[in-house]
Amino acid sequence: EPEVTQTPSHQVTQMGQEVILRCVPISNHLYFYWYRQILGQKVEFLVSFYNNEISEKSEIFDDQFSVERPDGSNFTLKIRSTKLEDSAMYFCASRNNYEQYFGPGTRLTVT
Amino acid sequence: AQSVTQLGSHVSVSEGALVLLRCNYSSSVPPYLFWYVQYPNQGLQLLLKYTSAATLVKGINGFEAEFKKSETSFHLTKPSAHMSDAAEYFCAVSEGPQGNQGGKLIFGQGTELSVKP
Repeated sequence: EPEVTQTPSHQVTQMGQEVILRCVPISNHLYFYWYRQILGQKVEFLVSFYNNEISEKSEIFDDQFSVERPDGSNFTLKIRSTKLEDSAMYFCASRNNYEQYFGPGTRLTVT
Repeated sequence: AQSVTQLGSHVSVSEGALVLLRCNYSSSVPPYLFWYVQYPNQGLQLLLKYTSAATLVKGINGFEAEFKKSETSFHLTKPSAHMSDAAEYFCAVSEGPQGNQGGKLIFGQGTELSVKP
């Protein structure tokens, strides 16, 4: 069964550093999403992406964040200058019809 | 704006007992509703979805949920709990995938289900 994959599973970085989180969505899906889950809190929407452009973003998704689909298979989330409060689990999701399929997540720890 | 409220951050049941996890939503448009399960250190797995067809929706692992528009509810039930059901459960609402807009999920706070032997 096709699945969404994410790398790395765990990323540790120092405050102020740039990180890139990678996702490979399901191959025939057209809509892509990033969500995050701060420890002990609910899952929050960050951004949606369709037809090579952002279709919607939340207030969390400020200028420090960017997304890209560089090669038709990968979907990346970049955080330019990480802050302590960016520490969270980041989930990628993709969909074609009604269902969003989630990847296993990348745990980002900012020290 | 859409929102989801899950009543009870922790629910504990005995093995074999009824599971009832509550979810109420707010939406200005006909909603699509979802239940996801998250096992420890894993991602989110779709249990079931409501997309404006039958109001009683059956999902995986014996779970089902009923959409009640008058009560703005979408409670999750399972007749008989199993130890393997212990996990975190999230209710989510979406406006529905209208063209290239929409489709984002708004999640509730989650309910942790414990199953006692």
